[in-house]
Amino acid sequence: QQQVKQSPQSLIVQKGGISIINCAYENTAFDYFPWYQQFPGKGPALLIAIRPDVSEKKEGRFTISFNKSAKQFSLHIMDSQPGDSATYFCAATTASGGSYIPTFGRGTSLIVHP
Amino acid sequence: NAGVTQTPKFRVLKTGQSMTLLCAQDMNHEYMYWYRQDPGMGLRLIHYSVGEGTTAKGEVPDGYNVSRLKKQNFLLGLESAAPSQTSVYFCASSHIAGQVSYEQYFGPGTRLTVT
Repeated sequence: QQQVKQSPQSLIVQKGGISIINCAYENTAFDYFPWYQQFPGKGPALLIAIRPDVSEKKEGRFTISFNKSAKQFSLHIMDSQPGDSATYFCAATTASGGSYIPTFGRGTSLIVHP
Repeated sequence: NAGVTQTPKFRVLKTGQSMTLLCAQDMNHEYMYWYRQDPGMGLRLIHYSVGEGTTAKGEVPDGYNVSRLKKQNFLLGLESAAPSQTSVYFCASSHIAGQVSYEQYFGPGTRLTVT
């Protein structure tokens, strides 16, 4: 059972375009929603994260939109650049029960064409 | 700070051989994790540890064992390697404070091939 569903699996965008990756979750106890960026041959690294008390968080060209009632959150990359080409993972974590184990989506491979 | 380091970076094993992957972190993090990454499957949790001397099973623990004798180290063992364990293995660590969890810091990965 997949608790965090991520889509699309792959995404191709032209330079300057907007990249949008979506995630949906089921467990309403999740309270921390990070996005990780992974370049080929490297480990994932935190890109941006949000907690459910806000509906949007922006850091530079990267924005998380969070819809608590729909149990969905998405990553928007504005003015996408070839250097943004990477795999992106959404995740969700809850402190419920004393466990802080993240549940990851399956990842989205983003290619930004010059 | 080196962050999270993993040893070795690459390894080729024959079926039935054993090996240990070493993860070390210098951030004094309580939690440590071992994941495997396979194409289209994302990151799947193998085992994790919430502190020195404690370990717990994750989503895909079969065929693996772990130990955390020191807070900074987390070892992943394969007792009898199988081709299905061919994967890229990532170690991660994170800091927990009260009821708040923070980001995971990942190592650079170990690419393991079992023939």
